[in-house]
Parts: sequence; C-alpha cells; structure tokens
Amino acid sequence: AQSVSQHNHHVILSEAASLELGCNYSYGGTVNLFWYVQYPGQHLQLLLKYFSGDPLVKGIKGFEAEFIKSKFSFNLRKPSVQWSDTAEYFCAVKGAAGNKLTFGGGTRVLVKP
Amino acid sequence: GAVVSQHPSWVICKSGTSVKIECRSLDFQATTMFWYRQFPKQSLMLMATSNEGSKATYEQGVEKDKFLINHASLTLSTLTVTSAHPEDSSFYICSARASLGTRFYEQYFGPGTRLTVT
Repeated sequence: AQSVSQHNHHVILSEAASLELGCNYSYGGTVNLFWYVQYPGQHLQLLLKYFSGDPLVKGIKGFEAEFIKSKFSFNLRKPSVQWSDTAEYFCAVKGAAGNKLTFGGGTRVLVKP
Repeated sequence: GAVVSQHPSWVICKSGTSVKIECRSLDFQATTMFWYRQFPKQSLMLMATSNEGSKATYEQGVEKDKFLINHASLTLSTLTVTSAHPEDSSFYICSARASLGTRFYEQYFGPGTRLTVT
C-alpha cells in the first residue's frame, strides 16, 4: 500500500524567509507526485506535479519541488514566502498505473507579515 | 482553471435522516470522480472512487450501504449519507478527473461540504 509522510505539521515563518516542506512516500513502483495547497476557506489547488523527466519541477506562485528517487522524497520549496502563502500544503502520491491519490497529513504554514 | 462545484456547502441534519451531496464538474467531463472525507486538522481520506455508469469502488472500512454513490452522468456524482449519525459529521470533498482534452487526467477538487449531524 502506498503512504505519504509529511514531516512538519506546523511551520511559522516571516515574510521573505525561505520555505522547505518535507515529503516522503512509500510505494513499490513508478509514482506520480503532487503538491496541493488549500488556502483558508478555499478548495484544494494543484501547485505542481511530477510524472517523469526533470526531477526539479516548477509550479505556480514560485514554488518548486525536487524528486529524489533514492530518498523517496518530493520536498517543496519556495525561496521567499509572502503573507499570502499562508495555507495548508498537502503532498500526494499516485501509482503511475493506478487510480488512487494518497495524501500526506498536511503542513499548516503561517507566514507572519 | 477547471471548476468543480459541490452542493450544499454546509448542511445540518438530524440523526437518522439521509443527506445527499452533489458534485458537478462545470466545464469538463469526468469519467471518474472521487469522494474524500477530511476530519478537522487531518488529511483527506479517500472514501470511494466513482465511475460514470458503473458501481463505485469503496475503500476498505467504508460502508457502501451507508455512503451511497451514484455517478449517473459525466458531470455529476452524488454521495448520500444514509441514516446519518453524529460520527458522520465531517467535511466531505469531491474530486473530478478530466476525461479528455488538454486537461486529460488532471484531478480537480470541489470546495467541500460540511456535514453536521445533531
């Protein structure tokens, strides 16, 4: 069975600080990897995804993530956060041939102005 | 981006009654829709996968007779919580996966429905 682990439950940082959120997954085959964001009171939105190719993936709003196959990791980064990045971030994995998206526990990020 | 709507966004019902939640893909066709449940401060847990024109596939531990899913068209799936109890109170989120076009296989999420059973 596939599983996803997000290391930090809560992150608090100031504007302009750099952000890195950890994500590790467990799955015995080729995976598709995703990061979703849920802003307060809003629905989940896709930030970025990795299917194949360049392991460094760039997404919307200045976010990027790096797939490191040997570490089963897909960490999310942003060099300089803004107050508007306050949200909950979810890492998710799906087997490449499968149907089911499995989510990590989420990380709540609070950016102080 | 693609839009998925849910109705109602918030519902309160009495214990023992049934509640129907609708999920619609507004500007794309979705052969497959997914129903998730999100407990406070927790992640999304997949309840079932709904395929248009066929029976839903339920995850282990999810009672199919309690959570009835119907996916009668390419743009509509419904989740009916039958004989609801307070422990069914939760945030229910649907997701639709685009069937074709430039959005093929992208999965889009609805805004969620908060169910409170009293």
